[in-house]
Amino acid sequence: GAGVSQSPSNKVTEKGKDVELRCDPISGHTALYWYRQSLGQGLEFLIYFQGNSAPDKSGLPSDRFSAERTGGSVSTLTIQRTQQEDSAVYLCASSLFPSSTSGGNEQFFGPGTRLTVL
Amino acid sequence: AQSVTQPDIHITVSEGASLELRCNYSYGATPYLFWYVQSPGQGLQLLLKYFSGDTLVQGIKGFEAEFKRSQSSFNLRKPSVHWSDAAEYFCAVGADAGNNRKLIWGLGTSLAVNP
Repeated sequence: GAGVSQSPSNKVTEKGKDVELRCDPISGHTALYWYRQSLGQGLEFLIYFQGNSAPDKSGLPSDRFSAERTGGSVSTLTIQRTQQEDSAVYLCASSLFPSSTSGGNEQFFGPGTRLTVL
Repeated sequence: AQSVTQPDIHITVSEGASLELRCNYSYGATPYLFWYVQSPGQGLQLLLKYFSGDTLVQGIKGFEAEFKRSQSSFNLRKPSVHWSDAAEYFCAVGADAGNNRKLIWGLGTSLAVNP
């Protein structure tokens, strides 16, 4: 079946512009995560959605960042008034559910969106 | 606070040699531990995971990892490295018992394989 897809694969924008990044998780996966990976760095957690629960936004670096997940499926990460330090690869992942049930915890990652802010 | 340390930023091995990538974590309870691999131009892929039970975990592509509670380690091993194993390897720990919603990630180890 289809994996996690993200669009666009690459995005170049000018400082101060808004951008929207899209994530299509695996069908049926209840949990969705956004991460940021800067050059040579590990993954930085941004936000987590689980079903109809309130999202865990504790990783969002500033109020310029926001995300939503419509209908428990597709998610959009929005960055307003982009800054050069926002340049990174933004990764989306989904998992079947977040419980400790064996096999249920694996996060499946999309290919990422490479954002470059000029 | 939970943390993950991968002490080796970059490792180079010869093809056919054995490999061990180190991962140390800091966590107050029984952790949920993962190794992921990121190949050039590829997305992150799960190699293996530990939740409970046998401390030696087998994964895909011939990898294994051993959970050592006394050393707070979860080192990744492979007896014979192939050129296709050249990639970035990430160790991660589940931040909440029974819930991997906020995996804490190490900074990664870049593996190069010499022919």
